[in-house]
Amino acid sequence: DSGVTQTPKHLITATGQRVTLRCSPRSGDLSVYWYQQSLDQGLQFLIQYYNGEERAKGNILERFSAQQFPDLHSELNLSSLELGDSALYFCASSVGGAGSHYNEQFFGPGTRLTVL
Amino acid sequence: TQLLEQSPQFLSIQEGENLTVYCNSSSVFSSLQWYRQEPGEGPVLLVTVVTGGEVKKLKRLTFQFGDARKDSSLHITAAQPGDTGLYLCAGGLNNFNKFYFGSGTKLNVKP
Repeated sequence: DSGVTQTPKHLITATGQRVTLRCSPRSGDLSVYWYQQSLDQGLQFLIQYYNGEERAKGNILERFSAQQFPDLHSELNLSSLELGDSALYFCASSVGGAGSHYNEQFFGPGTRLTVL
Repeated sequence: TQLLEQSPQFLSIQEGENLTVYCNSSSVFSSLQWYRQEPGEGPVLLVTVVTGGEVKKLKRLTFQFGDARKDSSLHITAAQPGDTGLYLCAGGLNNFNKFYFGSGTKLNVKP
């Protein structure tokens, strides 16, 4: 158990809908990262937050948005869903920022999103 | 183009064989990490290497960080079926707030 929690574990929805994925980082971790992993693909970095502020953006679509709240939990919002958005979405947390010496990431169990 | 290039992409070997996975970049990293991921689960951190030339051992796994902190390798001795999985190297760049993952090496160890 990494200490990172993600909900829900599974999500099935229809095209055009909007969903929210939730992540609680490990106690004491200030950074939260979101990744997308499609079937048999590598991890695609979406976005990173540090202590409530957006720090880095990766290949995140305009239809997707995220935020980190004062209690450090984070939410990833996916809207106008398409079939191609079906994937595993992982959240990870670390103590420090991405470029620091404290950037070891601990991953949650993921949310499997299926868009029908 | 990936900032961290891993090779080989796929590796299928027999139980008991040795193997090495490489992670290369033209950039200098403040540290590099290795993760192992099983299907449907999140990556799990194996090790972090910080100092150029550093060697770390984790049972049958040996990790090395290049002297210039641009590359790393993972060597597995006497591989076992339980080693099967996706091995990912990753790291952050000094003074940049970005974290990069390699494309991964998918290892299959046959009994």
